[in-house]
Amino acid sequence: KQEVTQIPAALSVPEGENLVLNCSFTDSAIYNLQWFRQDPGKGLTSLLLIQSSQREQTSGRLNASLDKSSGRSTLYIAASQPGDSATYLCAVRTNSGGSNYKLTFGKGTLLTVNP
Amino acid sequence: EAQVTQNPRYLITVTGKKLTVTCSQNMNHEYMSWYRQDPGLGLRQIYYSMNVEVTDKGDVPEGYKVSRKEKRNFPLILESPSPNQTSLYFCASKQGGNSPLHFGNGTRLTVT
Repeated sequence: KQEVTQIPAALSVPEGENLVLNCSFTDSAIYNLQWFRQDPGKGLTSLLLIQSSQREQTSGRLNASLDKSSGRSTLYIAASQPGDSATYLCAVRTNSGGSNYKLTFGKGTLLTVNP
Repeated sequence: EAQVTQNPRYLITVTGKKLTVTCSQNMNHEYMSWYRQDPGLGLRQIYYSMNVEVTDKGDVPEGYKVSRKEKRNFPLILESPSPNQTSLYFCASKQGGNSPLHFGNGTRLTVT
């Protein structure tokens, strides 16, 4: 059974700092890994999706990497801003052989960027 | 604007009173799914649908029903809600293949 762990559970940084969020998964047979952002009381917004054949994806100040063999992904945020404050979740789609596009989610990292 | 729309955003009800949470997407997505989010447990899948008239159970289907009569709509039905179904519910949809999952803004349900 796939398990996804995110460390740290919470992170507080000063504005302008570069930071890394970590995600690990137990079953390396994945289709893809997706990073989401969740603001309080809101839904999840997809940030980056990395296919199993890819090593990284970039969008603006965000860069996500994937090391499938070691079961790890990182989300790098450059020059953090207070508006980046949110909970960041990673989710993996495991190659279970079925048709369900089911994502297994980590519990998230709560990021606070202080002005 | 491409979006997944859930209604209502907030709902307070009493045990045993049937309710429906609606979900609609305007992106012509084939796949739709319902999740619940609980503190300490994260997001767990309730039901999913690969296409019209095709639905199946996720990890925590007990106490829920769904239907997919049209491609754009995927309502979640609680026939007899109980307090342990108090949660934050999310509907999501996607295109086929390895495309990203798009989420609605959530429905916060309280069952007393």
